[in-house]
Amino acid sequence: QSALTQPASVSGSPGQSITISCTGTSGDIGGYNYVSWYQQHPGKAPQLMIYEVFYRPSGVSHRFSGSKSGNTASLTISGLRTEDEADYYCSSYTGGSTLVFGGGTKLTVL
Amino acid sequence: QVQLVESGGGVAQPGRPLRLSCAASGFTFRRNAMHWVRQAPGKGLEWLAVISSVGSNNYYADSVKGRFTISRDNSKNTLYLQMNSLRPEDTAVYYCARDGGDNPWSLNYWGQGTLVTVSS
Repeated sequence: QSALTQPASVSGSPGQSITISCTGTSGDIGGYNYVSWYQQHPGKAPQLMIYEVFYRPSGVSHRFSGSKSGNTASLTISGLRTEDEADYYCSSYTGGSTLVFGGGTKLTVL
Repeated sequence: QVQLVESGGGVAQPGRPLRLSCAASGFTFRRNAMHWVRQAPGKGLEWLAVISSVGSNNYYADSVKGRFTISRDNSKNTLYLQMNSLRPEDTAVYYCARDGGDNPWSLNYWGQGTLVTVSS
């Protein structure tokens, strides 16, 4: 159950697009389409932004999109806004009925 | 609306037990698997455990297997986490979260969290 690998930080300017990667193995990301992404603002609970690789829950902006290639999943945020500044976490089903999170990525909107 | 409210956190001494509760409302509790996730101060999210909708199956992260027990009482719409043999490294905010149901292994609602501090 090793944590998925995310960059510690990414940054972008308002209006730009950024992509956060999440790398796992064939035993988690590469083996299943149960990849999710969460946004967490300081002092708040996480919020689901993407599930099953690329589906958006109702109410989540179309600016958020997800994808997967091999053992790596990605979250892309287009048209960056200041309110997007937060920590982002990926997660994946690992088989054996367990879940694993990535280490988290701090997004700074300059 | 869906609400999850954790309680039971506080200061506990190393080696002592603590039980967390998560009161659910706004949805049919017995239909969803439920998870516990924690976050140590300044650190990332760590998945701890999941319990099936009827409570017949539960699974744990290796880091807490054998020390923590997840359970639920569907008649009370409440999820529990029994934590035994607490260690300082168990200090964290503990969140309960609802499984996505038809979209499993996505946590679509979270509580506000309850802080557990393990210290002598």
